[in-house]
Amino acid sequence: GNSVTQMEGPVTLSEEAFLTINCTYTATGYPSLFWYVQYPGEGLQLLLKATKADDKGSNKGFEATYRKETTSFHLEKGSVQVSDSAVYFCALILTGGFKTIFGAGTRLFVKA
Amino acid sequence: DTEVTQTPKHLVMGMTNKKSLKCEQHMGHRAMYWYKQKAKKPPELMFVYSYEKLSINESVPSRFSPECPNSSLLNLHLHALQPEDSALYLCASSQVGTGRTEAFFGQGTRLTVV
Repeated sequence: GNSVTQMEGPVTLSEEAFLTINCTYTATGYPSLFWYVQYPGEGLQLLLKATKADDKGSNKGFEATYRKETTSFHLEKGSVQVSDSAVYFCALILTGGFKTIFGAGTRLFVKA
Repeated sequence: DTEVTQTPKHLVMGMTNKKSLKCEQHMGHRAMYWYKQKAKKPPELMFVYSYEKLSINESVPSRFSPECPNSSLLNLHLHALQPEDSALYLCASSQVGTGRTEAFFGQGTRLTVV
């Protein structure tokens, strides 16, 4: 079936460290891929997206590249801040579908 | 306007109460969704409306009753809930067509059933 697998957290980093959160997917066809972020006590915000192979999504210093050959969409940021502490969800939507399929989420803590 | 607005933000209700959650968007989206999110878990899809018609019901118990009065509004009517229904309820909207479009989420209603 269609699914998204993320690295387990929590991930704890010091401020200005490099961040990678791994995400791989299983899907039929050519899904669109997303990263959502959820800050404590809030809803989900779309962080970035990519709709076809080799697309790179980027926003607020975060980047992820749609890799069809490895079915991956890893999230990276060169220098994290305390304000980046949140839960990050990798997700996909199948072509023609309505249902967003989420990974389990990865909690990130950034220490000052 | 890229917002999905949910009211109320917090709701405490007894197991015999009837209450409603409300959601509004003005992005011209014709698909609207209800999700349920338990602590430390990803959101789980409950219902999808497309062009104001219910298109997906993920086997949700009948004590949850959705309604889409028009293209901008989505309600979730609650009746005879159980304590295990306590969760964050998220509304979302998206374009309809290719389906390859992202969902925009509201801030959620945190529901506590006592």
